[in-house]
Amino acid sequence: GESVGLHLPTLSVQEGDNSIINCAYSNSASDYFIWYKQESGKGPQFIIDIRSNMDKRQGQRVTVLLNKTVKHLSLQIAATQPGDSAVYFCAEVSNSGYALNFGKGTSLLVTP
Amino acid sequence: DTEVTQTPKHLVMGMTNKKSLKCEQHMGHRAMYWYKQKAKKPPELMFVYSYEKLSINESVPSRFSPECPNSSLLNLHLHALQPEDSALYLCASSQEGGRAGNQPQHFGDGTRLSIL
Repeated sequence: GESVGLHLPTLSVQEGDNSIINCAYSNSASDYFIWYKQESGKGPQFIIDIRSNMDKRQGQRVTVLLNKTVKHLSLQIAATQPGDSAVYFCAEVSNSGYALNFGKGTSLLVTP
Repeated sequence: DTEVTQTPKHLVMGMTNKKSLKCEQHMGHRAMYWYKQKAKKPPELMFVYSYEKLSINESVPSRFSPECPNSSLLNLHLHALQPEDSALYLCASSQEGGRAGNQPQHFGDGTRLSIL
């Protein structure tokens, strides 16, 4: 079936460095993608989204890149801070059009 | 703080108990969702309510019974659960109902459920 996956399960970066979290998706019909951040003991928190008619979208310290040719999504975090330590999920709209399919998640650890 | 409020935050129950999880949002959202999340795994969809009607049931066992009393509230009634049902249960909402997947879902912080 269709799936959304992440290349790396864990990522360790030094404070102040830039982080890149990658995600591959297999549903070529997907037209909406979201990145979520989940801290321990909390629910997923919306970070940024992107529609398929765009290839880049920027937020505060975050940038999402979408490459539809290779079905790849990435989240870039600039000047990573300790508070960025969390699990990051990419998600795409499911085939039903009602809900989201989540990727496996990447654990980001920011070291001082 | 999240705008989707879930209660209780923690729940421990025996396999013969009946309990309910509650979710509330006051953002005027017309779609609400229940997800189940096991440790170190992504959330998995259970139910979708759109305009207070059940739109999707992802083949969830009948020991889980959802209810949407009004557009702001979503309940999940639990009965005769199994130990493998222990998980974090997340509620989410999104602005539009119907097949309007191109919008973000906003999550609560979940109820941590333990079945003894």
